[in-house]
Amino acid sequence: AQSVTQLGSHVSVSEGALVLLRCNYSSSVPPYLFWYVQYPNQGLQLLLKYTSAATLVKGINGFEAEFKKSETSFHLTKPSAHMSDAAEYFCAAQTAAGNKLTFGGGTRVLVKP
Amino acid sequence: DTAVSQTPKYLVTQMGNDKSIKCEQNLGHDTMYWYKQDSKKFLKIMFSYNNKELIINETVPNRFSPKSPDKAHLNLHINSLELGDSAVYFCASSHVIRSTQDQETQYFGPGTRLLVL
Repeated sequence: AQSVTQLGSHVSVSEGALVLLRCNYSSSVPPYLFWYVQYPNQGLQLLLKYTSAATLVKGINGFEAEFKKSETSFHLTKPSAHMSDAAEYFCAAQTAAGNKLTFGGGTRVLVKP
Repeated sequence: DTAVSQTPKYLVTQMGNDKSIKCEQNLGHDTMYWYKQDSKKFLKIMFSYNNKELIINETVPNRFSPKSPDKAHLNLHINSLELGDSAVYFCASSHVIRSTQDQETQYFGPGTRLLVL
């Protein structure tokens, strides 16, 4: 069965520093991959998705993620953290169109002034 | 112009009661989902409907019964509520282009926070 692992349930970064959130998937067939963000008491908002057209995917709010098949990874990065980036981030995989999303455990990002 | 909406946003109820959560999407999507997010923020699929037909039914107690009156609505009815049902329930929707099996994005509602006392 498909599984998604996010390394680190909490990440603390200083404002202006690099944000790196790790995601690994387990699938012999590269799935569709997504990053969602959840702000406190809100729903999930799509940050970006992997479409197999390009391994480096750019999303909203300055985030990007790189798909690496050899490492079965889809890590999320942002060069310079902003206070407004404090939120919970979820990596998710989908093995086929119309299929369910399998989520990682989430990573809470804290941004220090 | 809300894409995926849920009602109510908050629901506080007693154990043993029966309650319903409603979901509507105005995106023209053909597939809708229910996810449960527990107190540790873990998200898991519960159900999925495509064109009003149940296509995913994970291991969920039969106290939970989804109903899809049309493609734009997917409601969740819960009988005999238990303390462990306390969670945030998210509705989502998506569209699949069958001819190309193009990748779809699931769009989520704001969630319904259920607290069972």
